[in-house]
Amino acid sequence: LAKTTQPISMDSYEGQEVNITCSHNNIATNDYITWYQQFPSQGPRFIIQGYKTKVTNEVASLFIPADRKSSTLSLPRVSLSDTAVYYCLVGRTGANNLFFGTGTRLTVIP
Amino acid sequence: GAGVSQSPSNKVTEKGKDVELRCDPISGHTALYWYRQSLGQGLEFLIYFQGNSAPDKSGLPSDRFSAERTGGSVSTLTIQRTQQEDSAVYLCASSPHRAGTDTQYFGPGTRLTVL
Repeated sequence: LAKTTQPISMDSYEGQEVNITCSHNNIATNDYITWYQQFPSQGPRFIIQGYKTKVTNEVASLFIPADRKSSTLSLPRVSLSDTAVYYCLVGRTGANNLFFGTGTRLTVIP
Repeated sequence: GAGVSQSPSNKVTEKGKDVELRCDPISGHTALYWYRQSLGQGLEFLIYFQGNSAPDKSGLPSDRFSAERTGGSVSTLTIQRTQQEDSAVYLCASSPHRAGTDTQYFGPGTRLTVL
């Protein structure tokens, strides 16, 4: 079971780049790294997923070092609407007992 | 297309009563998950269904909790003899279960309050 460790909270000003790092020392060979975003009173929403190196989509980038024991979610030029809790999840298809952890509460300040 | 839906959105019940929570996954998704989220906490995995295979129930917190999935689609989570500590938001997610990855699509959740 690959548990994850993230900072509990982060603050950022509007327009800045935000990097949230997740540690997952026990990641298994077949595990993927997925990040979710959750707004109050809503279910989590998929942001990005990767296996190694760098992945980029229209919303974020995900940086994964060669040893895969950590990953960094990068949000470019955050806005107030990016205020949410961000979860790092490590697992593979069909894996049971997936561990979301407590996530990182990002607060974007005007 | 339609996303994952859950009903009811809110449920208030008295201690000791049984409750049923429903989840309608995205059509064609073979994997279905139930999670529990207490106020200000992360998601606690409860149970996972994949197609017609027997579910893994190892995340269920007690034998008062059970879940079933009929016809590989709709799922019902049942909590018997509810306790106050069962109060939480219960989230359902479904996944297309593509090989190697498992992007989950979440419903809005059911907020359960046990008085």
